[in-house]
Amino acid sequence: DQQVKQNSPSLSVQEGRISILNCDYTNSMFDYFLWYKKYPAEGPTFLISISSIKDKNEDGRFTVFLNKSAKHLSLHIVPSQPGDSAVYFCAASGILLASQFYFGTGTSLTVIP
Amino acid sequence: KAGVTQTPRYLIKTRGQQVTLSCSPISGHRSVSWYQQTPGQGLQFLFEYFSETQRNKGNFPGRFSGRQFSNSRSEMNVSTLELGDSALYLCASSLTVANTGELFFGEGSRLTVL
Repeated sequence: DQQVKQNSPSLSVQEGRISILNCDYTNSMFDYFLWYKKYPAEGPTFLISISSIKDKNEDGRFTVFLNKSAKHLSLHIVPSQPGDSAVYFCAASGILLASQFYFGTGTSLTVIP
Repeated sequence: KAGVTQTPRYLIKTRGQQVTLSCSPISGHRSVSWYQQTPGQGLQFLFEYFSETQRNKGNFPGRFSGRQFSNSRSEMNVSTLELGDSALYLCASSLTVANTGELFFGEGSRLTVL
């Protein structure tokens, strides 16, 4: 049962444009969300997080939006750079749930120079 | 500050064998989680250890086991390997219990079962 879903396996964007990666979840008890970036042959690295008390969090070129009513979050990268080409995973957890993160299946982003 | 270290990075085994993977967390981190990554499946949670106690276990068969030592280092073991166990095994550490803060991942151990 996939509680966190990333329905787009891949995304291609021109350099300088906005990349929007989407993530949907089913468990209303999730209250903390993370985005990770993963290059081949490396472990995932943390990008940005958001808690359910917020609907937006920004860090430089990265912004995460949370729509609790729709159980949807998105990661915006502006402007996109070739070095952003990687697989992006969203993950969710809940303070009242078991001590683990639930990960999506990932979206492979390609930024075209 | 040293990151999460996983050994070995790559290994090849045959069906029926067993394997042990090791993870050294970031100094001061008491929680270690293990995830399995396979193509198209994302990261699947295996288990979490905190202060030498297994706090949570994912939906994997009993062939998958783990432990944590007093210095927070962790090992996971897979017995009677099957072809489907071929995957990237990722270890992550965190300062507190694993669902309340950022996870720091190692580079993974890539297991190939022939």
